[in-house]
Amino acid sequence: EAGVAQSPRYKIIEKRQSVAFWCNPISGHATLYWYQQILGQGPKLLIQFQNNGVVDDSQLPKDRFSAERLKGVDSTLKIQPAKLEDSAVYLCASSPGGSYSNQPQHFGDGTRLSIL
Amino acid sequence: QQQVKQSPQSLIVQKGGISIINCAYENTAFDYFPWYQQFPGKGPALLIAIRPDVSEKKEGRFTISFNKSAKQFSLHIMDSQPGDSATYFCAASKADKLIFGTGTRLQVFP
Repeated sequence: EAGVAQSPRYKIIEKRQSVAFWCNPISGHATLYWYQQILGQGPKLLIQFQNNGVVDDSQLPKDRFSAERLKGVDSTLKIQPAKLEDSAVYLCASSPGGSYSNQPQHFGDGTRLSIL
Repeated sequence: QQQVKQSPQSLIVQKGGISIINCAYENTAFDYFPWYQQFPGKGPALLIAIRPDVSEKKEGRFTISFNKSAKQFSLHIMDSQPGDSATYFCAASKADKLIFGTGTRLQVFP
């Protein structure tokens, strides 16, 4: 099966600019996650979707970050305006979801964002 | 209470040796403990996982040992190979929300 697809792979912008990332999860996976991984740290959950509804966005800096998952498939994460501390790799993950909890999360290779 | 503490930060092992990475947690509500392997430029990949009703799980050269009373779990990599050189993350989960440790960079020398 095809894995989680993310684009772009790299993005360089100046602070205060806006940027968007795209994620296509594994086909049929109901749950989609966005993580932020700062260099030298573990991934940190930003937002979790179940189909096209938000399950948890408590760690999302909502003054600058937004995410949507239209039609319960692809998702986009946007940052506007970007700050220097947003430099990180943004990872998308998906899992089958459904009735069983703690199903394996499958990660994409991420988008590396550099803020100048 | 939501933290997962991981050690060591880095580990150097000779080929054929045993690599051991340790993690500790505080929240007893966690009910799933996976380990992920990450190569440079790639996303984390699930290696092995355990639930708290089991004390040990083995898959090939990889073993998780779980101590519920001490709230600790560890990854053992037997017969470590240069291809195992990567960063390893432990994690703890409740309601499908993963909390990751800080990572251990493993280098296996021939």
